[in-house]
Amino acid sequence: SAVISQKPSRDICQRGTSLTIQCQVDSQVTMMFWYRQQPGQSLTLIATANQGSEATYESGFVIDKFPISRPNLTFSTLTVSNMSPEDSSIYLCSVEEGRLGETQYFGPGTRLLVL
Amino acid sequence: AQKVTQAQTEISVVEKEDVTLDCVYETRDTTYYLFWYKQPPSGELVFLIRRNSFDEQNEISGRYSWNFQKSTSSFNFTITASQVVDSAVYFCALSEPGSTPLVFGKGTRLSVIA
Repeated sequence: SAVISQKPSRDICQRGTSLTIQCQVDSQVTMMFWYRQQPGQSLTLIATANQGSEATYESGFVIDKFPISRPNLTFSTLTVSNMSPEDSSIYLCSVEEGRLGETQYFGPGTRLLVL
Repeated sequence: AQKVTQAQTEISVVEKEDVTLDCVYETRDTTYYLFWYKQPPSGELVFLIRRNSFDEQNEISGRYSWNFQKSTSSFNFTITASQVVDSAVYFCALSEPGSTPLVFGKGTRLSVIA
């Protein structure tokens, strides 16, 4: 499976600031996904990022709050803008593998605490 | 709409006991994939298994086994002779073919006590 890394692994931020999370894959992938996991909760999809096009956001998530870049087939960034304590979560990127993209593998996650 | 239900929020077992984690799913698609992921305290999500909707064969991998039953829309996960290292949150998930995101259950927190 693809090797996925995320930076930073964790961060503590002040409210009102922004943080950019990087996701790097060791092979070229078409689709990348960004998920949020709030404390004690399940994973919720934020957006799907396809190289060369605008990210597609899920209901409840907007580009102004979570801008995403996908400059090439191995890299993506998610920015959490104008943070509040409610943004404290684990943010995970994932990529799909397989001929039909049938399996998703996840990066190690970024633990964000907003004070 | 797709939905995954993991009714067990938390399970606690003593080491060496067997434990089964339940997963019930809903989908209108005839072709779909089912998954189990493990999330240890460190937070990463570890892929355990994918099952295609057209393959109802049960699978065994070491101490892990999975029982897929389309008739009851269930995809249950059994750990035999549990160990402390099995302590984690386990997520069941569902997706359609063709680059679609996963729909996750709420997860089951398994605690294995020595």
